Amino acid sequence: AQSVSQHNHHVILSEAASLELGCNYSYGGTVNLFWYVQYPGQHLQLLLKYFSGDPLVKGIKGFEAEFIKSKFSFNLRKPSVQWSDTAEYFCAVRGSSNTGKLIFGQGTTLQVKP
Amino acid sequence: DSGVTQTPKHLITATGQRVTLRCSPRSGDLSVYWYQQSLDQGLQFLIQYYNGEERAKGNILERFSAQQFPDLHSELNLSSLELGDSALYFCASSVVEDTQYFGPGTRLTVL
Repeated sequence: AQSVSQHNHHVILSEAASLELGCNYSYGGTVNLFWYVQYPGQHLQLLLKYFSGDPLVKGIKGFEAEFIKSKFSFNLRKPSVQWSDTAEYFCAVRGSSNTGKLIFGQGTTLQVKP
Repeated sequence: DSGVTQTPKHLITATGQRVTLRCSPRSGDLSVYWYQQSLDQGLQFLIQYYNGEERAKGNILERFSAQQFPDLHSELNLSSLELGDSALYFCASSVVEDTQYFGPGTRLTVL
């Protein structure tokens, strides 16, 4: 069965620190990969996505992610976080045979201290 | 604002009751998805509709049902509610099976 694992459940950083959130998935076929962010009290917003092509994808608000097929990973990065990045981050996978269904990781709560 | 609307924002009800959650997709989106977000289960896919037809089913209980109407809005019906059904219910929409855009959610509290 498909699954997504996010290694860090809770991350605390100071402003200007660099961020890397891990995401690994298990699926044997072609996948589409997503990172969503959920700010406190708000709905999920798309940060970035990977369908094909360049494995390094850039998203909104300075975020980027790298798809490493051999490692089944899609880690999220940001060189310098801001207090406003405090939120919950979800990695999600959609397998090509799964219609539109998204499988989400457990989420990582990021707290950025000013 | 994603363009996906959900009503109501909050719903408080008692065990055994039945509720209906409503979702209006973004203009032009034919696919609607329902997800449940709870503390213990995380974000779980429930069901997908495409242009009025059920397309995919996930971990949806038999007490839950959904439909998509000709105007493409969707309703999720939850019946014989239990305490464990308390959760945030999100609707998302997409053009075919492209990127999903999420609504603000309905927070259901079952007392």
